[in-house]
Amino acid sequence: GAGVSQSPSNKVTEKGKDVELRCDPISGHTALYWYRQSLGQGLEFLIYFQGNSAPDKSGLPSDRFSAERTGGSVSTLTIQRTQQEDSAVYLCASSVDSWGEQFFGPGTRLTVL
Amino acid sequence: AQSVTQLDSQVPVFEEAPVELRCNYSSSVSVYLFWYVQYPNQGLQLLLKYLSGSTLVKGINGFEAEFNKSQTSFHLRKPSVHISDTAEYFCAVSFMEYGNKLVFGAGTILRVKS
Repeated sequence: GAGVSQSPSNKVTEKGKDVELRCDPISGHTALYWYRQSLGQGLEFLIYFQGNSAPDKSGLPSDRFSAERTGGSVSTLTIQRTQQEDSAVYLCASSVDSWGEQFFGPGTRLTVL
Repeated sequence: AQSVTQLDSQVPVFEEAPVELRCNYSSSVSVYLFWYVQYPNQGLQLLLKYLSGSTLVKGINGFEAEFNKSQTSFHLRKPSVHISDTAEYFCAVSFMEYGNKLVFGAGTILRVKS
């Protein structure tokens, strides 16, 4: 079956612009995670959705970052007023339930000029 | 705070030699442990995982890891490496009292030389 997909694969934007990154999890997976991978910070957790529960936003670095998950499936990560330090690869993962193995998507490479 | 430490940023090794990539994590009551591999310009792929049971875990591509609770370690080993094992390896931990989110180590680049 299809894995986790993310779009776009690459995004170049100018400082101060807003961007939206999309994640399509594996069908039937109730848990969805966002991470980012950057040269300075390595791989770090951003946000986690599980079913209809309130999301765990403890990893979001600032209030410019937000995410939503509509209908328990597709998720969008939004970064407002992008800064150069936001440049990174943003990874999405999904798991069948709260404690299942996380399957990662290919990531979106964001470059802020 | 939860943390995962990979002591070696790079490990060079000759082909067919054994290798050990080290991983230590901050002490916790209950953890799930993972090793992921990332080949150049590719996504993360799960190598192996420890959830419970036997402390010696076998994964794909001939890799294995051993969970040592007293030393809070989960070192990755392979008895004989190949050129194709050249990649970056990440140790990751779910600290169960904080949910299933993964805390990653900084990664270890394994360079296999002929």
